[in-house]
Amino acid sequence: SQELEQSPQSLIVQEGKNLTINCTSSKTLYGLYWYKQKYGEGLIFLMMLQKGGEEKSHEKITAKLDEKKQQSSLHITASQPSHAGIYLCGADISGSGGGADGLTFGKGTHLIIQP
Amino acid sequence: NAGVMQNPRHLVRRRGQEARLRCSPMKGHSHVYWYRQLPEEGLKFMVYLQKENIIDESGMPKERFSAEFPKEGPSILRIQQVVRGDSAAYFCASSYTGLISPINTGELFFGEGSRLTVL
Repeated sequence: SQELEQSPQSLIVQEGKNLTINCTSSKTLYGLYWYKQKYGEGLIFLMMLQKGGEEKSHEKITAKLDEKKQQSSLHITASQPSHAGIYLCGADISGSGGGADGLTFGKGTHLIIQP
Repeated sequence: NAGVMQNPRHLVRRRGQEARLRCSPMKGHSHVYWYRQLPEEGLKFMVYLQKENIIDESGMPKERFSAEFPKEGPSILRIQQVVRGDSAAYFCASSYTGLISPINTGELFFGEGSRLTVL
């Protein structure tokens, strides 16, 4: 089973509308990373959350990590065509001491912005 | 002012051939990560390397796959005797510190990927 579940898998939103993407784990997220990938290209770092209840914003994108550190949401306000792409959440779910020093990623959310 | 550079961007191999993917991290970065992205499986961690050392290869298939990050030159992901199931996009990322470092800024810089097609 997927350790990080992203929802929805795909999303079509009219330009100017708000949207939310969720990332959920059954394990504690010791570090939660949001990336954006344009089709056929590399990943662009958006933001990282580490503390329960933490919230960060960059331009029109806000990400939150819940108090239990098992769910994060990415919210885009007044969406624009430039927001289109694949949004990936990645997390350190290995915990402290040992374990992989790489991130576990969700499958991604495909976001399409309709003019 | 180059970011993470990966080459080749596209590679076509026949079954049984070898594939070599190269990754030059950002200047000053000594931590390199390789990920594989399959169409329906998302991005999967493969291996984490520092200069001349493999730190964690828990995501690497046990056979045919190997990675290195020599003192000089790029990191190389090598796939021997490729099979069709190896077709994927392979991404390299680098960071200044390791992710579990207390001074981790949280940012992995990704390359644009190398897309391997096995015929």
